[in-house]
Amino acid sequence: DAGITQSPRHKVTETGTPVTLRCHQTENHRYMYWYRQDPGHGLRLIHYSYGVKDTDKGEVSDGYSVSRSKTEDFLLTLESATSSQTSVYFCAATGTGVGSVYNEQFFGPGTRLTVL
Amino acid sequence: GQNIDQPTEMTATEGAIVQINCTYQTSGFNGLFWYQQHAGEAPTFLSYNVLDGLEEKGRFSSFLSRSKGYSYLLLKELQMKDSASYLCAVRENRDDKIIFGKGTRLHILP
Repeated sequence: DAGITQSPRHKVTETGTPVTLRCHQTENHRYMYWYRQDPGHGLRLIHYSYGVKDTDKGEVSDGYSVSRSKTEDFLLTLESATSSQTSVYFCAATGTGVGSVYNEQFFGPGTRLTVL
Repeated sequence: GQNIDQPTEMTATEGAIVQINCTYQTSGFNGLFWYQQHAGEAPTFLSYNVLDGLEEKGRFSSFLSRSKGYSYLLLKELQMKDSASYLCAVRENRDDKIIFGKGTRLHILP
């Protein structure tokens, strides 16, 4: 897992409530990513970050926002959760050290989110 | 944008060899990844190719042809534990975005 943790690991919430998922890494990776995984769709990129306070949208960013105030933490926020956001969310990180070619992407264990 | 295609499912026999193909279209290519994912678990890294050719790592090999937008993952001496989904992903050179295909579910028969 290369030092990547996600919290919470499981969450059940109601439609319309805000939800924040946290990804924490200890390896000083430059790039961090949030994906969601749903049957029939594979892993889809929500948002990613290429440095502190530098973020960009992925394939399915509507309804999600992110923040990265320090290297080790990347937060994903659902401002007003909907049932369509029920999914497994994975955080990933890559790129570390001097001269790295960013050739391995490490994943966190995932967060299973259910929106009722 | 990107478009990544791989077969949805494949079946192979224990001890045999299987090749999982991946084709991609991207506006700027900066590497292709292969991952293994067992049900209920996070993906784990298998290989990375950025130059044309074959990379071998134990029972697993990965091949890349940039001109054809094509890669394959070759699994030799299949074991029951190789039953998993195999994910192909491409990184764009413009912004380091990493996009995944839908994955190939591999079933191993005894």
